[in-house]
Amino acid sequence: EAGVAQSPRYKIIEKRQSVAFWCNPISGHATLYWYQQILGQGPKLLIQFQNNGVVDDSQLPKDRFSAERLKGVDSTLKIQPAKLEDSAVYLCASGLPTDTQYFGPGTRLTVL
Amino acid sequence: GQNIDQPTEMTATEGAIVQINCTYQTSGFNGLFWYQQHAGEAPTFLSYNVLDGLEEKGRFSSFLSRSKGYSYLLLKELQMKDSASYLCAVTPRYGQNFVFGPGTRLSVLP
Repeated sequence: EAGVAQSPRYKIIEKRQSVAFWCNPISGHATLYWYQQILGQGPKLLIQFQNNGVVDDSQLPKDRFSAERLKGVDSTLKIQPAKLEDSAVYLCASGLPTDTQYFGPGTRLTVL
Repeated sequence: GQNIDQPTEMTATEGAIVQINCTYQTSGFNGLFWYQQHAGEAPTFLSYNVLDGLEEKGRFSSFLSRSKGYSYLLLKELQMKDSASYLCAVTPRYGQNFVFGPGTRLSVLP
């Protein structure tokens, strides 16, 4: 069974630039999550999708972050414009409501 | 609010036993998960507790006391490859996302 796929794995940008991350969840998983993990901390939820609807985006900085899951499968997370404090690993996870979450390898973002 | 506490760092010796504690205060409780995360890698699932008691899975065991808001992960016969961060996560409600603790970085020394 294929796992959660993410790309790119690494990204370096300058502040005020834009960046987008892509996630393909495990087939059949209706729930998709985007987390931000700053070095030395636990993951922090940014947004949770159930199919193509948003369940929880209370911690998403909506002035600069956006995410979509138009067809209920793949998802993209965008940052525009990026700030230095956005440097982190962005983890995508998928799962079923009664199951654990399965994480992708993450995208390591460095903002200079 | 949601709050999960874990020790920041622990050190243990190869072959020993180590217990990593987790305390939580959440708006609800629908399960507690433990994940292992090696440096630079994604978290991987270790264990799940929803009822009080001990769940054993090979060298790893996890305990839960819902009345105390407390869990621990027990690692036996430590190996060098167990050096990693261990994340405690609670799901407050069915179908809701996980609230993660800060993680405990475990170093296993020879």
